Amino acid sequence: GQQVMQIPQYQHVQEGEDFTTYCNSSTTLSNIQWYKQRPGGHPVFLIQLVKSGEVKKQKRLTFQFGEAKKNSSLHITATQTTDVGTYFCAGHTGNQFYFGTGTSLTVIP
Amino acid sequence: GAGVSQSPSNKVTEKGKDVELRCDPISGHTALYWYRQSLGQGLEFLIYFQGNSAPDKSGLPSDRFSAERTGGSVSTLTIQRTQQEDSAVYLCASSPGQGLNGYTFGSGTRLTVV
Repeated sequence: GQQVMQIPQYQHVQEGEDFTTYCNSSTTLSNIQWYKQRPGGHPVFLIQLVKSGEVKKQKRLTFQFGEAKKNSSLHITATQTTDVGTYFCAGHTGNQFYFGTGTSLTVIP
Repeated sequence: GAGVSQSPSNKVTEKGKDVELRCDPISGHTALYWYRQSLGQGLEFLIYFQGNSAPDKSGLPSDRFSAERTGGSVSTLTIQRTQQEDSAVYLCASSPGQGLNGYTFGSGTRLTVV
């Protein structure tokens, strides 16, 4: 069945270091969305990418959608303590909407 | 309302009891999902409603789980004869159309079965 895996599962970084999470789908996705879930909170939508090879930036966050539309990445430059949380990718295949396994980010001040 | 509202926020129930969890999506949102999230885990798809179409129930883990969506708005997730493994946070998300511009999540219901 459809699987969306993310690596790493956990990441600890010193404040100011960069961070990247990778998302890999077993099937082609029509789009990729990224969500952030703060500890004790609920997922909050960050961004959507639709086109093959698309790159979008939000301040220190850079999102990429792979050429084959089966993988994606989220890169955070110079992490801050406010970046702490779990980052999920998610995507549509037809009417199905699958979430990745998530990457939990800890930022050490 | 302004956001997706879920109630109750917390529910403690005894094993074997039935529970009902409620989701009020954003007005006008036709797409509604239920997910389950165990502590420190990812989001497990349960069920998907889209407008007046038949729901996609393929994620429901057993026949003890059922969900309804009345009038294309409020949704209720019912768990019968609860088991300890049902303990989790149940999240509801809604979106206009097909969710192609992101889903808005509610704050969830934390269910604890004792």
